[in-house]
Amino acid sequence: DGGITQSPKYLFRKEGQNVTLSCEQNLNHDAMYWYRQDPGQGLRLIYYSQIVNDFQKGDIAEGYSVSREKKESFPLTVTSAQKNPTAFYLCASSTRTSGPTNTGELFFGEGSRLTVL
Amino acid sequence: AQSVTQLGSHVSVSEGALVLLRCNYSSSVPPYLFWYVQYPNQGLQLLLKYTSAATLVKGINGFEAEFKKSETSFHLTKPSAHMSDAAEYFCAVNWGNTPLVFGKGTRLSVIA
Repeated sequence: DGGITQSPKYLFRKEGQNVTLSCEQNLNHDAMYWYRQDPGQGLRLIYYSQIVNDFQKGDIAEGYSVSREKKESFPLTVTSAQKNPTAFYLCASSTRTSGPTNTGELFFGEGSRLTVL
Repeated sequence: AQSVTQLGSHVSVSEGALVLLRCNYSSSVPPYLFWYVQYPNQGLQLLLKYTSAATLVKGINGFEAEFKKSETSFHLTKPSAHMSDAAEYFCAVNWGNTPLVFGKGTRLSVIA
C-alpha cells in the first residue's frame, strides 16, 4: 500500500543531543513537509521540499535541519539548538506545490512523538 | 497575511446532536479548502476538500462542508454526532503559492 512511514513512533532524548526523525514515502510525490504540533497551536511548518536537493524554511525552522537526497526520503534532525523540542512531529507529502491543477492536498504519516528528558 | 481561523478550540455536543465546526479564511477567494481529522497520537486524515466543482462538499463519515464566498467561510457539519466522531478537526487552505495553511484546530467531544 502506498503511504508515508515515520519512525520512530516515540523517541526520548536527553538535553543537548541531536536526534533524527525518519520520513519515507512511496506515493511518488515530489513535495514533502515537516510540521510540529503542540497542544492548542495547530500545525506549524518547519521545513518543506518541492524537489530533490532543495528545501525551504517554514515558519519555525530555527533549531532544525533537513536533507532531501532522495525523492522518497525527507529526514528531520532536531538539534540541540532547539530550545523546546518536546512535541509531536508530522511528516506529509503532496504533488508539487504550484501548478493550476494541483490542489495542494497533503498526505500525512502517523507522526513521531519526541520527549526531551 | 493569509490566515485561517477556527472559532472555538473545543466544542462539545451530545450524541445524536448536530455538529458544527467553524472555519473562516482571510484574503481573496482561495482555490482550495480542506478539512482534516486527527485521532489521538495519529496523523491527519482528509475528511473532505473543496476544489470549486460544487459549493456543498460531502466527505467521509457523514460530514459535509459548504463554501460561502460572501462569508469567507467553510464550516463543517454533521447532522447527528456519534461517539466515534470525537477527535480534533483542522481546516486548511491552499492559496496556490505556498504549502497549506492550517487553523489551530477544534477538539470535538461527544457526550453520551
